[in-house]
Amino acid sequence: DGGITQSPKYLFRKEGQNVTLSCEQNLNHDAMYWYRQDPGQGLRLIYYSQIVNDFQKGDIAEGYSVSREKKESFPLTVTSAQKNPTAFYLCASRGTGAGTEAFFGQGTRLTVV
Amino acid sequence: AQSVSQHNHHVILSEAASLELGCNYSYGGTVNLFWYVQYPGQHLQLLLKYFSGDPLVKGIKGFEAEFIKSKFSFNLRKPSVQWSDTAEYFCAVRNRDDKIIFGKGTRLHILP
Repeated sequence: DGGITQSPKYLFRKEGQNVTLSCEQNLNHDAMYWYRQDPGQGLRLIYYSQIVNDFQKGDIAEGYSVSREKKESFPLTVTSAQKNPTAFYLCASRGTGAGTEAFFGQGTRLTVV
Repeated sequence: AQSVSQHNHHVILSEAASLELGCNYSYGGTVNLFWYVQYPGQHLQLLLKYFSGDPLVKGIKGFEAEFIKSKFSFNLRKPSVQWSDTAEYFCAVRNRDDKIIFGKGTRLHILP
């Protein structure tokens, strides 16, 4: 099946630890995105990448890092510098062409205790 | 900075009522506009989109939206809602730098 896979679905970490969230797509999309979803805040853009080996900061990049070494993969690291890391994280990808929409994964719920 | 405003945070309607959810954006250049829906426990799905042509676009499940450039608006409408429309709805804008920005969402609750 074509789609976007985020793993794991639930993740627990201790405060002060870095954690990496996985996002893989087999849609052959160039662009990939990471969002954070909090109740009442909608989706806020963390990082996005238009092409391999390139990425840009979104609106809330502080405390996060990404890499884009392969077209199909865009992992997100939540570092210990992120002050409020507990949230629902969504990954998306988008193909090229005018008007193409983003497709979303099922999300990872990260809880930091 | 680019932003998207959804005016209604929580809407409660009875079945068969008409729906209109407001969305305004701040970016002045060429944009693509989207409405997404998130049903309870499910992932985000595209309802409809606008990128050029007829400003009145139709989407899935009887939804439509009208792009009014002069008002920077892209309001979502449905003439008669159903209980199954209970969900959270998000408006989104993509600019020419490829950023896709979302509004804070509107929780729609339909009473049977």
